[in-house]
Amino acid sequence: EVQLVDSGGGLVQPGGSLTLSCAASGFTFSNSWMTWVRQAPGKGLEWVANINPDGSGKYYVDSVKGRFTISRDNAKNSLYLQMNSLTADDTAIYYCAKAYNSGWTDWGQGTLVTVSS
Amino acid sequence: QSALTQPRSVSGSPGQSVALSCTGSSSDVGAYGSVSWYQQHPGKAPKLMIYDVNKRPSGVPDRFSASKSGNTASLTISGLQAEDEADYYCCSHAGSHAYVFGTGTKVTVL
Repeated sequence: EVQLVDSGGGLVQPGGSLTLSCAASGFTFSNSWMTWVRQAPGKGLEWVANINPDGSGKYYVDSVKGRFTISRDNAKNSLYLQMNSLTADDTAIYYCAKAYNSGWTDWGQGTLVTVSS
Repeated sequence: QSALTQPRSVSGSPGQSVALSCTGSSSDVGAYGSVSWYQQHPGKAPKLMIYDVNKRPSGVPDRFSASKSGNTASLTISGLQAEDEADYYCCSHAGSHAYVFGTGTKVTVL
């Protein structure tokens, strides 16, 4: 059974940094594209970043380019999102997800990031 | 990377059919055969319902069907059931490995 467990969220001050983690199990992590998607409170879904299986390709939504870094450790079956220079607009539940063709079949439970002073 | 446009809400009685639209542009929906649809119940993670425009993952009822014409994708729920009440989001590839979601549609079962 595929399992994705998101962690690392919390309260951070504007301008601060946070690193999210996603622990994967039940599938061959090193063969899978992975993604971070976020959802602000009461709002819709927003794609944040993708990373290819070997970590050599990383892609971001314009609003986080230069501030967020997606990475993975295939030996540890883990996905990460390093977030810097956080603003209130980054407040959201962050989900990691596993790609399947043009969709994402499996999702973590989400981890809440709150940016506030 | 502007969000795809979806109607805010759609409603129907049990057993009826409802259709949800998802309008993008020639840079996303119109350009790629990579449209997916997600169902999200309150407080839950999204669930993939459709991928590659019109394919259903294993376990998704065949009451859910989808298509695309030009810059608009559509999801149809036939034989509406109470458990179908949820938010639905479309998503499209937008070039250069980027993706864009729709604004979301709340489906209400009357």
